[in-house]
Amino acid sequence: GAVVSQHPSRVICKSGTSVKIECRSLDFQATTMFWYRQFPKQSLMLMATSNEGSKATYEQGVEKDKFLINHASLTLSTLTVTSAHPEDSSFYICSARGPLGDTEAFFGQGTRLTVV
Amino acid sequence: GDSVTQMEGPVTLSEEAFLTINCTYTATGYPSLFWYVQYPGEGLQLLLKATKADDKGSNKGFEATYRKETTSFHLEKGSVQVSDSAVYFCALSGQAGTALIFGKGTTLSVSS
Repeated sequence: GAVVSQHPSRVICKSGTSVKIECRSLDFQATTMFWYRQFPKQSLMLMATSNEGSKATYEQGVEKDKFLINHASLTLSTLTVTSAHPEDSSFYICSARGPLGDTEAFFGQGTRLTVV
Repeated sequence: GDSVTQMEGPVTLSEEAFLTINCTYTATGYPSLFWYVQYPGEGLQLLLKATKADDKGSNKGFEATYRKETTSFHLEKGSVQVSDSAVYFCALSGQAGTALIFGKGTTLSVSS
């Protein structure tokens, strides 16, 4: 199946700094990728839809200035958490639908962000 | 809008017990249905899928049948193992190119 790679898997940063998370589709082109946030023992919360070559679409309640999404190529989307605070600590996961359109989604390994 | 409802956990079983995790959905059109599994500290992995009514998805001893008449996609396994301990998510596909719609997840804990 298609492979989505997410990096880093774990990051610790200081309050006020910015952190960039990368999501790559390794063997297919993904015009659309999705970013989720997951709190402990809770379900996935869709944060935004990342569209190659255009602005991301954010879900209601997600601060677009805090969570910057860039989808500069058909295989790479990045999520930058700007001016991170401890409450931004979470597990972030990216995904992409398969190359044939209406297929299953493939997920990255997730990034555990801890802001100290 | 489209939605997925799955039974709340945690589900605690002994090894070799029978597992059922209920999942029902609401959708317009004819979505595809999925079960994903998440092991601690990892992303989601596709466990099985079904793309049309009466299809049965199966993988690693897990099965689920797409029941249009009851709008259900219950996950079953005849004999669970400790290694099956994880969080299981039921999901459906909305429009092409949109994010999958997930249930809230069910935590399964299997003890030996």
